[in-house]
Amino acid sequence: DTGVSQNPRHKITKRGQNVTFRCDPISEHNRLYWYRQTLGQGPEFLTYFQNEAQLEKSRLLSDRFSAERPKGSFSTLEIQRTEQGDSAMYLCASSFSDTRETQYFGPGTRLLVL
Amino acid sequence: QQQVKQSPQSLIVQKGGISIINCAYENTAFDYFPWYQQFPGKGPALLIAIRPDVSEKKEGRFTISFNKSAKQFSLHIMDSQPGDSATYFCAASNTNAGKSTFGDGTTLTVKP
Repeated sequence: DTGVSQNPRHKITKRGQNVTFRCDPISEHNRLYWYRQTLGQGPEFLTYFQNEAQLEKSRLLSDRFSAERPKGSFSTLEIQRTEQGDSAMYLCASSFSDTRETQYFGPGTRLLVL
Repeated sequence: QQQVKQSPQSLIVQKGGISIINCAYENTAFDYFPWYQQFPGKGPALLIAIRPDVSEKKEGRFTISFNKSAKQFSLHIMDSQPGDSATYFCAASNTNAGKSTFGDGTTLTVKP
């Protein structure tokens, strides 16, 4: 399977704990995006990378959130001191930075903060 | 400020009917307009996309109609099938900016 993969698929944690999610994009894609999706809503942009450079961060991304893409391949999204409001589906997408700009999404990581 | 507004929120169509979902955008810098299909527990999957230099694009049973002056675009699903039952999202992006802005989704139910 050469699609976007995300791990873990599900995460249950207690409020105040730290969590880390991983995204492996399609191998030739140089852009990688993180979105958050809550029930009944469309995905909301969090941040994106072109190669290893983080080019944009949404104002939704508080200081408790950090994302990295150290070698321009996989990416991690860490949430520190989780809050119940962080419960959501975290989606990763990747694309090739040409005029097609088609983003391919992974299956997501569903986070539940108790 | 919601930059992409989608309607209706939910839609029920009989098998064989036409499903129509509408979106409106505000930012004239948007230059790429994809539609995604999402099944429960899955990530969104690209269905079809259009750029503002054309007014219509058709792929199989799916057609996008685009009205640049009105800043509106719509998805038409012809001969709707029960397997089309899913949530559909419109989105808009600026190629240089990278990120996509999504509508809130339309839950489509196709009755047999």
